[in-house]
Amino acid sequence: EAQVTQNPRYLITVTGKKLTVTCSQNMNHEYMSWYRQDPGLGLRQIYYSMNVEATDKGDVPEGYKVSRKEKRNFPLILESPSPNQTSLYFCASSRTGKLSPLHFGNGTRLTVT
Amino acid sequence: KNEVEQSPQNLTAQEGEFITINCSYSVGISALHWLQQHPGGGIVSLFMLSSGKKKHGRLIATINIQEKHSSLHITASHPRDSAVYICAVGGTSYGKLTFGQGTILTVHP
Repeated sequence: EAQVTQNPRYLITVTGKKLTVTCSQNMNHEYMSWYRQDPGLGLRQIYYSMNVEATDKGDVPEGYKVSRKEKRNFPLILESPSPNQTSLYFCASSRTGKLSPLHFGNGTRLTVT
Repeated sequence: KNEVEQSPQNLTAQEGEFITINCSYSVGISALHWLQQHPGGGIVSLFMLSSGKKKHGRLIATINIQEKHSSLHITASHPRDSAVYICAVGGTSYGKLTFGQGTILTVHP
């Protein structure tokens, strides 16, 4: 089944403890991207990747890192999480970053205390 | 002013009604996406448009590039259509996406 898989679904952590949210797709898509969703602010793009070893900042990249060492995986790294990074995170992929429909993961709800 | 504006923010309808959700944007775009998010659920892509009109079942999406405006129509609405509908625009710099704030649709039986 074609899908985008995010893990974990739920995560509670403490300020400053490094964490990684994984995202994997099995559709051989070139484009992958991370978003956060907050009440009243909607969805905002964090980082995106047009292909392996090609990543770019979205609108809210501060406090996040990404890497794209292989096509199927695009992990989101929070080196020193803070409470303002408490949010619902979504990963998405598409065949290309141009004129292709998006496929979203199921989301990761992160709480930083 | 946000780059992507949706209207209305909230919409309540009776089952069977024709529904229109609007999206206006202020930047040049390569494509526009309409997304659906059910309460507590994930996000599903409904349409990706770069011009004209697309139809899938009871859903129709249109875009007018000159007027920088897109509409999502739902014909014969049903309670299962209750969800948040989100417009997202892909800029001419491929890869970046900017989202509208979403429209909360509630369809009553």
